[in-house]
Amino acid sequence: GDSVTQMEGPVTLSEEAFLTINCTYTATGYPSLFWYVQYPGEGLQLLLKATKADDKGSNKGFEATYRKETTSFHLEKGSVQVSDSAVYFCALYASGNTPLVFGKGTRLSVIA
Amino acid sequence: GAVVSQHPSRVICKSGTSVKIECRSLDFQATTMFWYRQFPKKSLMLMATSNEGSKATYEQGVEKDKFLINHASLTLSTLTVTSAHPEDSSFYICSAPDYPEQFFGPGTRLTVL
Repeated sequence: GDSVTQMEGPVTLSEEAFLTINCTYTATGYPSLFWYVQYPGEGLQLLLKATKADDKGSNKGFEATYRKETTSFHLEKGSVQVSDSAVYFCALYASGNTPLVFGKGTRLSVIA
Repeated sequence: GAVVSQHPSRVICKSGTSVKIECRSLDFQATTMFWYRQFPKKSLMLMATSNEGSKATYEQGVEKDKFLINHASLTLSTLTVTSAHPEDSSFYICSAPDYPEQFFGPGTRLTVL
């Protein structure tokens, strides 16, 4: 079945450091790909998305490119801030009335 | 984008009571909705698929008599935790697909004393 594998944290970075969180997927067909962020005590927020190969999703300085050849959707940010501390989930959505498939999440801590 | 609401956002109840959580798609129709449970510091675990006009489909290991799901209309699904116990305390989240995206409710934090 479909699956998502993302690097497990925790990841600790200093403010203004470069961030990469790796995400690879296995799916039949052409899924949509997402990154969600969850701040402490809150629900999921959609961070960015890409619905087809070579699409680049971006939001709040975060970017991820849908790479079909490497089945990857790595999350990057050039300069992290303390306020970026959260858990990040990579997910795929295959089609129709199927649920999202989530990775296990990566906890990011950014220290000043 | 589309909006999914959940109510209540937080609930505290006594052991043995039942709790109902509502999930609504506010500006689109959803023949299917999904219910997830999230344990502390863990990813989301799919509990069941709610189908409008028919029975819900439960994931393996999820007790259907404990977690009753009713999808009464194209915009409303409810999850009732029956005879709740402390081990049912968790964060419950619903979602509704509107291809090529899915939209999540803000979640309900259930605490059973």
